[in-house]
Amino acid sequence: GNSVTQMEGPVTLSEEAFLTINCTYTATGYPSLFWYVQYPGEGLQLLLKATKADDKGSNKGFEATYRKETTSFHLEKGSVQVSDSAVYFCAPRGGSQGNLIFGKGTKLSVKP
Amino acid sequence: GAGVSQSPSNKVTEKGKDVELRCDPISGHTALYWYRQSLGQGLEFLIYFQGNSAPDKSGLPSDRFSAERTGGSVSTLTIQRTQQEDSAVYLCASSLATSRDTGELFFGEGSRLTVL
Repeated sequence: GNSVTQMEGPVTLSEEAFLTINCTYTATGYPSLFWYVQYPGEGLQLLLKATKADDKGSNKGFEATYRKETTSFHLEKGSVQVSDSAVYFCAPRGGSQGNLIFGKGTKLSVKP
Repeated sequence: GAGVSQSPSNKVTEKGKDVELRCDPISGHTALYWYRQSLGQGLEFLIYFQGNSAPDKSGLPSDRFSAERTGGSVSTLTIQRTQQEDSAVYLCASSLATSRDTGELFFGEGSRLTVL
């Protein structure tokens, strides 16, 4: 089945710093890849996704590129804000499975 | 409502008691998922319903856990003889059937279970 390894946190950055959160996956077939975010006190919500190799998902200044050759989907943002403080989850879906398998999550704290 | 609705939002119970958690998915979503979020453990898949197909129960941690989905809509997750390690936030999500691999899951706010 699908599985995912995600960079462990917590990650603490200053405002306007560059962010990378690494994510690699194993899967049977060709899954779609997702990043979900959980802001403090809120439910999980989709941040971005990519459904095939070399696709780039982007939203709110965040980007991630589906790299089939390295089975990776690293999340990046060029300049983080305090409001980006949240827990980020990488998740493959599909291939041989219909459910979404989540990484353990990476907690990001951005300081002013 | 427009989103996934879960109840109760908080449940405190004594060890050994049974609990039921309810999920009302978004109207028209035929896929429904249950996950468990424990402190420091991330999100653990429990069970997945897709239309009239047999559910994928591969994530249920023990036979004390069961779930059903009546009429293809509302789902109930039942935990029998609760243990302290069952304490967690139980999340429900739904998605469109036509987007099995590529579609977004919409999550509820979760039911926080505390077993004393």
